[in-house]
Amino acid sequence: DTGVSQDPRHKITKRGQNVTFRCDPISEHNRLYWYRQTLGQGPEFLTYFQNEAQLEKSRLLSDRFSAERPKGSFSTLEIQRTEQGDSAMYLCASSLVAGDASYNEQFFGPGTRLTVL
Amino acid sequence: QQPVQSPQAVILREGEDAVINCSSSKALYSVHWYRQKHGEAPVFLMILLKGGEQKGHEKISASFNEKKQQSSLYLTASQLSYSGTYFCGTAERYQKVTFGTGTKLQVIP
Repeated sequence: DTGVSQDPRHKITKRGQNVTFRCDPISEHNRLYWYRQTLGQGPEFLTYFQNEAQLEKSRLLSDRFSAERPKGSFSTLEIQRTEQGDSAMYLCASSLVAGDASYNEQFFGPGTRLTVL
Repeated sequence: QQPVQSPQAVILREGEDAVINCSSSKALYSVHWYRQKHGEAPVFLMILLKGGEQKGHEKISASFNEKKQQSSLYLTASQLSYSGTYFCGTAERYQKVTFGTGTKLQVIP
């Protein structure tokens, strides 16, 4: 399977615990996005990488959230001291961008569903 | 700023047509359309660019009115497989895509 993969698919944690999610993009894709999606809403932008560089973070993203893409391949999203409001689907997407990304198709992964008790 | 989609939900019988609208308060360079089935990842349908139109599927097409900053997705002769939530995403040039709240479409026999 050469699509975007995410691990784990489901995560249940207690409030205050730290969690880490992994995303493996399509191998030749240089751009990687993280989104959060709650029930009945569209994907909400969190952050994105161009190769290993993190180019933008949402102002809505608190200091408890951090993301890395150390070698420009897979990426991790960590949430520290989780809160019940963090419960959501976390989606990863990748694309191959050569210049203007505003007209590039994004390929989404299946998501990681986080439940904070 | 998030684009606004209408309607929020629609129920169709097989074979009927539907139109989903997406509007933005910003001057747009591109509009992206995705479909998401329950429990699955969003799947790309098509992208429309300012000054042009790109058709991605046979019975699903879209238009882009740059002056009105609006796009419409047209689904003709709907099939059961069309059921899902449709999202538009809008972008200014060189900027990231911002997704709307979605339109839930249900096609019934």
